[in-house]
Amino acid sequence: AQSVSQHNHHVILSEAASLELGCNYSYGGTVNLFWYVQYPGQHLQLLLKYFSGDPLVKGIKGFEAEFIKSKFSFNLRKPSVQWSDTAEYFCAVLKAAGNKLTFGGGTRVLVKP
Amino acid sequence: GAVVSQHPSRVICKSGTSVKIECRSLDFQATTMFWYRQFPKQSLMLMATSNEGSKATYEQGVEKDKFLINHASLTLSTLTVTSAHPEDSSFYICSATDFQNYGYTFGSGTRLTVV
Repeated sequence: AQSVSQHNHHVILSEAASLELGCNYSYGGTVNLFWYVQYPGQHLQLLLKYFSGDPLVKGIKGFEAEFIKSKFSFNLRKPSVQWSDTAEYFCAVLKAAGNKLTFGGGTRVLVKP
Repeated sequence: GAVVSQHPSRVICKSGTSVKIECRSLDFQATTMFWYRQFPKQSLMLMATSNEGSKATYEQGVEKDKFLINHASLTLSTLTVTSAHPEDSSFYICSATDFQNYGYTFGSGTRLTVV
């Protein structure tokens, strides 16, 4: 079965530090990849997505992610975090021929001011 | 942008009663809606996929008679938790898409507490 792994469950860092969250998936076919963010008390919001083309994808709020097909990875990065980036981040995978998102376990990020 | 409205945001019900949760796409027609369940500190688990005008497709292990899904129009899907028990207490989230832009838009979720 297809699975999505986020290896970091909790991340604590200070403002201005760099952030990288790992995401690996197990499906071998063509996939579309997503990162969502869930701020405290709010709904999931799309940060960025990859369908095809340039494997380095830029999203909102200064986030970017790199698709490395050979590693089945889609890691999320931000060079300098802010306190407002405190949230839970979810990686999700969609099979190209399917319609169901499979989510990773999520990573809680706490940015200390 | 696309907006999905989910109501109620919180509900407390007695064990044995039924609860209905609504999911509405406000500014687009949702070909498909999805219902997820999120346990504390865990990820979203897909419960079922709902297509307008047809029966929902349930994921393995999800009781279709307990979690009734109706998708009567392109803008509304409902999830009814029947004969609720305390173990049904959870955070339920809906998502809607029109597949034109792969826009999986999420509702704000419903916190169900069964006492």
